[in-house]
Amino acid sequence: EADIYQTPRYLVIGTGKKITLECSQTMGHDKMYWYQQDPGMELHLIHYSYGVNSTEKGDLSSESTVSRIRTEHFPLTLESARPSHTSQYLCASSESTLSNTEAFFGQGTRLTVV
Amino acid sequence: SQQGEEDPQALSIQEGENATMNCSYKTSINNLQWYRQNSGRGLVHLILIRSNEREKHSGRLRVTLDTSKKSSSLLITASRAADTASYFCATASNSNSGYALNFGKGTSLLVTP
Repeated sequence: EADIYQTPRYLVIGTGKKITLECSQTMGHDKMYWYQQDPGMELHLIHYSYGVNSTEKGDLSSESTVSRIRTEHFPLTLESARPSHTSQYLCASSESTLSNTEAFFGQGTRLTVV
Repeated sequence: SQQGEEDPQALSIQEGENATMNCSYKTSINNLQWYRQNSGRGLVHLILIRSNEREKHSGRLRVTLDTSKKSSSLLITASRAADTASYFCATASNSNSGYALNFGKGTSLLVTP
């Protein structure tokens, strides 16, 4: 089991609510990522970080925001949730450049906005 | 963005048979990785092959890479019911996404007893 944790595992929330999905890793990895995955479909990169105070947007436009104040913590926030945000969100981390290392994934957060 | 495209989208075989999945990508890469995802869970890394390698083995897994055709294949030999999962290829390159992995749509494998 990889030492990367996401909470909550499942979240059902009403439209307009602010939510934060938590992701923490204890491996000291510099690189962290957020992917969005709809059921049975491909993963889309929405945010990534090279280290503390570094955040970048991924290929898929997302209304969410991220922060990286500590190496081990990479939370994702939605200021005002909408039904279109319903999806599975996967957090991952890696040791260095992905040229030679694998990514470790959390178990995911399945978000449903009603 | 460059993303791997796996085929077939779904594959159903019996235990003991071999399963082959293919992946194609669009631009040059540093490496290509295969991941496995059980239903509703995160992804688990299976194997990485670098752009200067042509074949790699790990247990019952065999991966090939053809950079001239921009394609890779994953072979699972002597499949077991526990191999039932979705399999994704992922490419890593210096792109606009930095060093992030770009994933394909995945192949859903069902192994029946």
